[in-house]
Amino acid sequence: RKEVEQDPGPFNVPEGATVAFNCTYSNSASQSFFWYRQDCRKEPKLLMSVYSSGNEDGRFTAQLNRASQYISLLIRDSKLSDSATYLCVGDQTGANNLFFGTGTRLTVIP
Amino acid sequence: DGGITQSPKYLFRKEGQNVTLSCEQNLNHDAMYWYRQDPGQGLRLIYYSQIVNDFQKGDIAEGYSVSREKKESFPLTVTSAQKNPTAFYLCASSRVFSGANVLTFGAGSRLTVL
Repeated sequence: RKEVEQDPGPFNVPEGATVAFNCTYSNSASQSFFWYRQDCRKEPKLLMSVYSSGNEDGRFTAQLNRASQYISLLIRDSKLSDSATYLCVGDQTGANNLFFGTGTRLTVIP
Repeated sequence: DGGITQSPKYLFRKEGQNVTLSCEQNLNHDAMYWYRQDPGQGLRLIYYSQIVNDFQKGDIAEGYSVSREKKESFPLTVTSAQKNPTAFYLCASSRVFSGANVLTFGAGSRLTVL
C-alpha cells in the first residue's frame, strides 16, 4: 500500500466552481502534511501546510482528519490559474522522509 | 533572491554515459535532496544530505551517486548502471532535515537517454 494516495483525476470544473480533493495516508504516526502545487513541466511549490485545526488561505482551505487518516484541499471560486496538479505530501515519522502522492490534476474551464 | 539553481534544464545522453546534474542553493539550508519524477508516479527520493560531507541513500539510490563538499552544492551523477534514467530530476533543500520542514525545489533537469 502506498504511504500517500490521491485520486489522479482529472478534475475538470467550470470557472467559479468549488472543488475538493482528498488524500489518504497509511501511517497513523505521520505528523506533518502539505499540499504542493505543480504546473506542467515545472517544479512543485508549496501551497499550504496542513494543521490539525485546519487552515485557510484565501480561497484555499486545508483540513486534516486523523481518525480517518485523510487530508483535504478545498478550492472555492476556481480561477483559470488554479489549473495544475496538486500533490499531497506526508512525512514518515522517525525517518524524516516525505512521501509524495502521485498528484491530482485540476483543469478549470472558462 | 534566494533559491535553488539546477542545470542543465534539458540533457540528452547516450546509453553507457555518465552525466552529472548540478544543484546550487543560496538559501543557507542545511539539508538537500534529489528526487526523481516519472509520469503517473509520485516523487521518489534518490539521495539526501543532512549536512556538509554527509549524505544518505533514499529509496532508489541504485545507479546514482552524489557528493556534498559544500553547503551550497549537491550534484547528482547518473551512472551507466542506472537502468532507466530517463526522467525529470528535482533538487530540493530545507532549512534543516525534518519532515516538518518545507521543501524548496529547483526548476528541475529533464534527462533523456537516447
